[in-house]
Amino acid sequence: DAGITQSPRHKVTETGTPVTLRCHQTENHRYMYWYRQDPGHGLRLIHYSYGVKDTDKGEVSDGYSVSRSKTEDFLLTLESATSSQTSVYFCAISRLAGVNNEQFFGPGTRLTVL
Amino acid sequence: TQLLEQSPQFLSIQEGENLTVYCNSSSVFSSLQWYRQEPGEGPVLLVTVVTGGEVKKLKRLTFQFGDARKDSSLHITAAQPGDTGLYLCAGVAGNTPLVFGKGTRLSVIA
Repeated sequence: DAGITQSPRHKVTETGTPVTLRCHQTENHRYMYWYRQDPGHGLRLIHYSYGVKDTDKGEVSDGYSVSRSKTEDFLLTLESATSSQTSVYFCAISRLAGVNNEQFFGPGTRLTVL
Repeated sequence: TQLLEQSPQFLSIQEGENLTVYCNSSSVFSSLQWYRQEPGEGPVLLVTVVTGGEVKKLKRLTFQFGDARKDSSLHITAAQPGDTGLYLCAGVAGNTPLVFGKGTRLSVIA
């Protein structure tokens, strides 16, 4: 299994509080991604990174920011959590982009915003 | 925006039956991937198909990429309870990020 960990695995927080989710990889893969998964919507890309300090927005980036200061870590921050951000968040990594963009996923973080 | 439509959304079958799930789009993809996701876990890559008309087999699973590279199918022969899960297709077009379908939730009853 690809070495990807996510922390925390579960979190309950209140509306308006900041939340940071961490993704850590031991594979030295260049690309890292944050997705959210919701019933009826499937997996939707929030942000992704193509290198240290190089990030770009995905399909549902509003209300989220990311940072990547080291190859192995990709942080997702909810500056002021809202109930609509209750979801399961997955981090993924890939060695290549384009045709060979085969992704390996972490175990997920279940976030509940009350 | 490329969209991938998966059908059916839900499928419940008896052990030993065969089934096919579909992934369709109006867009052309450079490659298409299939993932399986079990409850409480992240998706796991099953296969990548790249060439139009390509067929790949993984034990009882057969994956096909349409000739025009707009669609794909996954056929499972003699389904087993261990095949239960959410099957996701995902497509790559150029260097754009991977686009996922909403998935087919399969339940195989013993």
